[in-house]
Amino acid sequence: DTEVTQTPKHLVMGMTNKKSLKCEQHMGHRAMYWYKQKAKKPPELMFVYSYEKLSINESVPSRFSPECPNSSLLNLHLHALQPEDSALYLCASSQEPGSPLHFGNGTRLTVT
Amino acid sequence: GNSVTQMEGPVTLSEEAFLTINCTYTATGYPSLFWYVQYPGEGLQLLLKATKADDKGSNKGFEATYRKETTSFHLEKGSVQVSDSAVYFCALSENTGRRALTFGSGTRLQVQP
Repeated sequence: DTEVTQTPKHLVMGMTNKKSLKCEQHMGHRAMYWYKQKAKKPPELMFVYSYEKLSINESVPSRFSPECPNSSLLNLHLHALQPEDSALYLCASSQEPGSPLHFGNGTRLTVT
Repeated sequence: GNSVTQMEGPVTLSEEAFLTINCTYTATGYPSLFWYVQYPGEGLQLLLKATKADDKGSNKGFEATYRKETTSFHLEKGSVQVSDSAVYFCALSENTGRRALTFGSGTRLQVQP
């Protein structure tokens, strides 16, 4: 069982929809991450939150909007996505930036 | 910048065969090195790590040694099982500054009974 919980497991959305991905950890980790993974590719870093502040934004389009309401929660708000945004979205956490990452099982997103 | 290069897959082995997955890296500083494993339909799990030169990481029969002179961190296992079938990612993280993980492209391992 993973200690990083992501919901939903699967999401299908149209290009005009607004949806949110959620991630939760209760390990007391102070860094949280969003990654995007396309089929047969390594994860690509999108955002990093360190001590609840956004510390890295990898030039991600504004249709992806992260939010860290508290040290245990991380959200990714989605709006006006494109079909090429279909991918597995992985959340991860680590004790500190640079410590080993603990990944959730991901949300499989399909944009139609 | 930082980069990680892994051998192309898929690697197909019979059960109980010896496994080596090559990984080399380029980094400006002195990174920490990791192997992550991804089973079908799941996220990534940390398999092992090494934080300085000559460190050996080990877990579940897998081993990798941090070789600074050859900038390598090859993954080995003496006897693979069907349950080891997965995708393996080599990764590095700088110990200062940005500290974000840089992943290799991944190597798919298929173990046949």
